[in-house]
Amino acid sequence: QKEVEQDPGPLSVPEGAIVSLNCTYSNSAFQYFMWYRQYSRKGPELLMYTYSSGNKEDGRFTAQVDKSSKYISLFIRDSQPSDSATYLCAMESGGYQKVTFGTGTKLQVIP
Amino acid sequence: DTEVTQTPKHLVMGMTNKKSLKCEQHMGHRAMYWYKQKAKKPPELMFVYSYEKLSINESVPSRFSPECPNSSLLNLHLHALQPEDSALYLCASSQVKGGSPNYGYTFGSGTRLTVV
Repeated sequence: QKEVEQDPGPLSVPEGAIVSLNCTYSNSAFQYFMWYRQYSRKGPELLMYTYSSGNKEDGRFTAQVDKSSKYISLFIRDSQPSDSATYLCAMESGGYQKVTFGTGTKLQVIP
Repeated sequence: DTEVTQTPKHLVMGMTNKKSLKCEQHMGHRAMYWYKQKAKKPPELMFVYSYEKLSINESVPSRFSPECPNSSLLNLHLHALQPEDSALYLCASSQVKGGSPNYGYTFGSGTRLTVV
């Protein structure tokens, strides 16, 4: 079993839809959770960083963490064509040590 | 300045060549990283530098040689690479706070390397 599982998609939605991206993990030591957005041929960009169970909101993005179920989600409201990218979940146990990435979900928002 | 700058953006090299990738940041981050990313795959960690000292080497072949000349610069020296080493090479930086989280990475745009 992989430490982090992420549905690879691709996920195709109409503009304005609510998008739900999800990851599950098996390592109970993971305490810090991230979502990165990666456009084609670019480096990943940090979208959200959270370390507690519950929700964290930033504009149209909401990160949700459920440590008891080992499940994290990223919700995108009012999705835009510019949100079309690959979204990577990532998690770590602390410090500056190894971050474990999910395999990424490719999202396409259709105008 | 909230950027990580990587040069060159593209590099084509022969299997007998020696080349270097460069990375620079001026955010005061004291941890810097090299990642390798193949198409449609997540980034794979290669090296971690903390306070200019190599702290993690993920069993990377010796044809890849990292160097951290100062707190703002990170190099990756390449020699005798193989075609399967063709990939996007990403540099990243983050804060270092002992056992505390690093609050996420700032990635550069990467160097797209092709080995012929």
